[in-house]
Amino acid sequence: DIQMTQSPSSLSASVGDRVTITCRTSETINSYLNWYQQKPGKAPQLLIYAASVLQSGVPSRFSGSGSGTDFTLTISSLQPEDFATYYCQQSYNYPRTFGQGTKVEVK
Amino acid sequence: EVQLVESGGGLVKPGGSLRLSCAASGFTFSSYNMNWVRQAPGKGLEWVSSISSSSGYIYYADSVKGRFTISRDNAKNSLYLQMNSLRAEDTAVYYCAKDSRVWSPVDYWGQGTLVTVSS
Repeated sequence: DIQMTQSPSSLSASVGDRVTITCRTSETINSYLNWYQQKPGKAPQLLIYAASVLQSGVPSRFSGSGSGTDFTLTISSLQPEDFATYYCQQSYNYPRTFGQGTKVEVK
Repeated sequence: EVQLVESGGGLVKPGGSLRLSCAASGFTFSSYNMNWVRQAPGKGLEWVSSISSSSGYIYYADSVKGRFTISRDNAKNSLYLQMNSLRAEDTAVYYCAKDSRVWSPVDYWGQGTLVTVSS
């Protein structure tokens, strides 16, 4: 199974900050890496797929990069609605696996 | 508009069974792979099972293999999860989730249904 290591597990930031979350996989997955945002009590929402492709309707302050085993999600200027938990996930093979999540909190 | 509506959750005793259903609408259900993903209280996301569009390919997490069965009825636009021999650690919100055809991320999620396994 492909292991997903997401870091940090939590971070504190202020509105306007640039935020970076990383995801490392235990083996190469090409670009089959997806990022989701989840707010309390809600279902996750797809932000980025194929490592760097923005899902329709997602603000351009979100971006993704990387390939192989190392990936990054960046929020260029954090907005109040971005305080949430973020998960990476690989869709390269089965079993599908998720990172443990990164909670972005108010500083 | 894509909609995924889960039902069938509830309280069940350890060792018991439950069947979850997911009613899909707003897209051609028979053309897409589907999934169940769960989230234990206060924990992260855990993939549970996937089924291909024509039910030709089925996959399970090791944690549920032999106890859970995924199925679908394309004529009824419905996805199912039969859960047997339930354990306390199966307590979670269960999400029905649709795969995109391109790169296979989950592009739509249901609102989730809570399964609680407790005596």
